[in-house]
Amino acid sequence: EFVLTQSPGTLSLSPGESATLSCRASQSVESSYLAWYQQKPGQSPRLLIYGASTRAPGIPDRFSGSGSGTDFTLTISKLEPEDFAVYYCQHYGSSVWTFGQGTKVDMK
Amino acid sequence: EVQLLESGGALVQPGRSLRLSCAASGFTFDDYAMHWVRQTPQKGLEWVSGIDWNSDDIGYADSVRGRFTISRDNAKNTLYLQMDGLRAEDTAFYYCATSPSQWLVRAYNFDNWGQGTLVTVSS
Repeated sequence: EFVLTQSPGTLSLSPGESATLSCRASQSVESSYLAWYQQKPGQSPRLLIYGASTRAPGIPDRFSGSGSGTDFTLTISKLEPEDFAVYYCQHYGSSVWTFGQGTKVDMK
Repeated sequence: EVQLLESGGALVQPGRSLRLSCAASGFTFDDYAMHWVRQTPQKGLEWVSGIDWNSDDIGYADSVRGRFTISRDNAKNTLYLQMDGLRAEDTAFYYCATSPSQWLVRAYNFDNWGQGTLVTVSS
């Protein structure tokens, strides 16, 4: 069974700090098929990054994605108050779409 | 502006049926593959089903295959999810979402989401 494991579960940071979120795949994947989403309380998820490193339209450049193979990273440089949310990675493969369990970035 | 408006969520008893709808506007509906994704606090986000632009290619998660049926009416700009044989574990918020491709096999991610509709399965 293909699994995406995100770490840490929760990241407690202050505005202005940088956040590094990890997404590890249980087997090597094509980078084109890896995406990241942001979800704020009471809202639906929003696409941030697709193809592992391409920002979706309207996404600020403080959000960046990187990685290949089994290890992918979402970096948020200089956290803004509106960035405190839950972040999910997602992979497409063989007509199955899989999400990680999420990383919560909360305010210290 | 892309808008996706889900409806049809309700409290239903186990074994009963429910049909969800997703009304789309602000974009050319048949330019996109469409999906249903559900979310629970316990299991997080789970892809449920997807359909390509002309309904030729359809996919289901193992957890719902044989019980749920996805369909679309391009003339009405509407996506549907017929849910039969509902179980307690189907309780979730159900979102419809677009993928930036007409074809399911190239629908790598979900670029627009609705606000969701709540389905509760309980006796």
